[in-house]
Amino acid sequence: NAGVTQTPKFQVLKTGQSMTLQCAQDMNHNSMYWYRQDPGMGLRLIYYSASEGTTDKGEVPNGYNVSRLNKREFSLRLESAAPSQTSVYFCASSDEGWFGDTQYFGPGTRLTVL
Amino acid sequence: AQSVTQLDSHVSVSEGTPVLLRCNYSSSYSPSLFWYVQHPNKGLQLLLKYTSAATLVKGINGFEAEFKKSETSFHLTKPSAHMSDAAEYFCVPLFGNEKLTFGTGTRLTIIP
Repeated sequence: NAGVTQTPKFQVLKTGQSMTLQCAQDMNHNSMYWYRQDPGMGLRLIYYSASEGTTDKGEVPNGYNVSRLNKREFSLRLESAAPSQTSVYFCASSDEGWFGDTQYFGPGTRLTVL
Repeated sequence: AQSVTQLDSHVSVSEGTPVLLRCNYSSSYSPSLFWYVQHPNKGLQLLLKYTSAATLVKGINGFEAEFKKSETSFHLTKPSAHMSDAAEYFCVPLFGNEKLTFGTGTRLTIIP
């Protein structure tokens, strides 16, 4: 039981390049989330998917898109990376579709945009 | 406005001494409250949560937190620190049906 896995672990992009961050969970959870973590700040929600087939914007969605590919997988895409998107990105999942349920986090992807 | 404040960005304690990490929230009603821990280069893990049942909540690894409505606080404590407790701790209220609001975190350092 791997829990929540994320790929890649590290990535360096140049401004304007695109990339997709992958996330998968093997706990049969209904809900999945993408957060970013910046120095001196708490986690901020980018997008979430309360259930398979649905996605919604979080606090900081600009510059990102998401796809809930199936119940297990939830990807985050940067279409044209900017230095302001340098951050650590965490994917999380929870069993129920409300924010009070325990969230299980992946190990993170450290992204640098030059 | 609803918000959360973690009063200390960094706390250092000696191994075997008590730990106190402070958290206050601002809201006109009582939220659900969580503490998450993040060990170096790891994802976050739930330590404990308060959801309007008992005000003293026990979590994993010997941590506990007490909800005090009159003080709008949810401080995290542990009687005796262990080296493995070194991590970043986040206080996270849930205000109604809104998204989780993560505090800025408290980095706990354990001195051998």
